[in-house]
Amino acid sequence: DGGITQSPKYLFRKEGQNVTLSCEQNLNHDAMYWYRQDPGQGLRLIYYSQIVNDFQKGDIAEGYSVSREKKESFPLTVTSAQKNPTAFYLCASTNQDYTEAFFGQGTRLTVV
Amino acid sequence: RKEVEQDPGPFNVPEGATVAFNCTYSNSASQSFFWYRQDCRKEPKLLMSVYSSGNEDGRFTAQLNRASQYISLLIRDSKLSDSATYLCVVNTGFQKLVFGTGTRLLVSP
Repeated sequence: DGGITQSPKYLFRKEGQNVTLSCEQNLNHDAMYWYRQDPGQGLRLIYYSQIVNDFQKGDIAEGYSVSREKKESFPLTVTSAQKNPTAFYLCASTNQDYTEAFFGQGTRLTVV
Repeated sequence: RKEVEQDPGPFNVPEGATVAFNCTYSNSASQSFFWYRQDCRKEPKLLMSVYSSGNEDGRFTAQLNRASQYISLLIRDSKLSDSATYLCVVNTGFQKLVFGTGTRLLVSP
């Protein structure tokens, strides 16, 4: 079945550590996105990529980095510079005409 | 001004009630519009697209008003299972989807 897979589902990080969240899709979509969601809040865009080897900052990119070396993969690194990384992270991709967004099941990151 | 704005709610309604949500968008060049539903601690899922002529899917009706730059979602005969957060999503024309913060709906017996 086609879809988006995020891993891990739960992730614990010590302060000062970088962690990388995985996002893989087999939908052949060009555009991929990372969102952050805090409890009781909406989705905020971190980074998005419209094509391989290209990506743009979203509204809250500080403290995060991404890469897009393959069409299928869009990993997100939460760096130690991100002061409050505990949140629910969602990866999404859109079809060519941007008529629907498909989401992974999300990764819950907790700083301990 | 935010690109997409929604009333966060919560909207508390009894079963069987009719409830409506609005969502405003700032970019007049926005090309497509959607409503997503998000259950607690889950990923958002597409509820329905919003077409210029308006569209209906069972108890749900979505409408677009380009002149006033808003979309709406109407839910008739609310069910307990409709309790969720409803996200307005706009393709702003810059090849990205922008999500509203969501409107929380609570349907009570």
